[in-house]
Amino acid sequence: DSGVTQTPKHLITATGQRVTLRCSPRSGDLSVYWYQQSLDQGLQFLIQYYNGEERAKGNILERFSAQQFPDLHSELNLSSLELGDSALYFCASSQDSGHPSDTQYFGPGTRLTVL
Amino acid sequence: GENVEQHPSTLSVQEGDSAVIKCTYSDSASNYFPWYKQELGKRPQLIIDIRSNVGEKKDQRIAVTLNKTAKHFSLHITETQPEDSAVYFCAAYPGYSTLTFGKGTMLLVSP
Repeated sequence: DSGVTQTPKHLITATGQRVTLRCSPRSGDLSVYWYQQSLDQGLQFLIQYYNGEERAKGNILERFSAQQFPDLHSELNLSSLELGDSALYFCASSQDSGHPSDTQYFGPGTRLTVL
Repeated sequence: GENVEQHPSTLSVQEGDSAVIKCTYSDSASNYFPWYKQELGKRPQLIIDIRSNVGEKKDQRIAVTLNKTAKHFSLHITETQPEDSAVYFCAAYPGYSTLTFGKGTMLLVSP
């Protein structure tokens, strides 16, 4: 157990709908990262938040958005869902102290299925 | 930004053999190189990492080597076991932005 929690574990929804994925980082970690993993893809970095502010952006679609709250938990919002959005969504956290030892610890993931 | 290439994409070995997975990176500023193991349907888990001031690091049957001049690093697994079967990801951290991951290597260890 990495200490990172994600809810829900599974999510099944229809095209055009909107969903929210939730992540709680390890105690003391200030950074949260979101990744998308499809069947034939590696880990696609979506976005990073550090202490409530957006720090880095990857291949995140405009239909997707995220935020990090004062208690450091984060939510990833996916809207106007398409079949191709079906994937495993991972959240990871790190201390992000600025030192090159900021290991990312991954949560168990949320499996999103869009029908 | 950083770019990480990982090879091979699939690796099949017999139980007891050694397995080697190689990664190259593009940004000479990268100074931290973790390896993650992901079993089917599970989360990626850190198995070993190496920092730029070290050339090699070992942890039981797993070792990682780093060649900063050539900008490549490798994961070595000795005496492979069926439970080593998983997807392995390398990553590089350039000190800015975030970790850049390779596309993964599926390791299959046959009994």
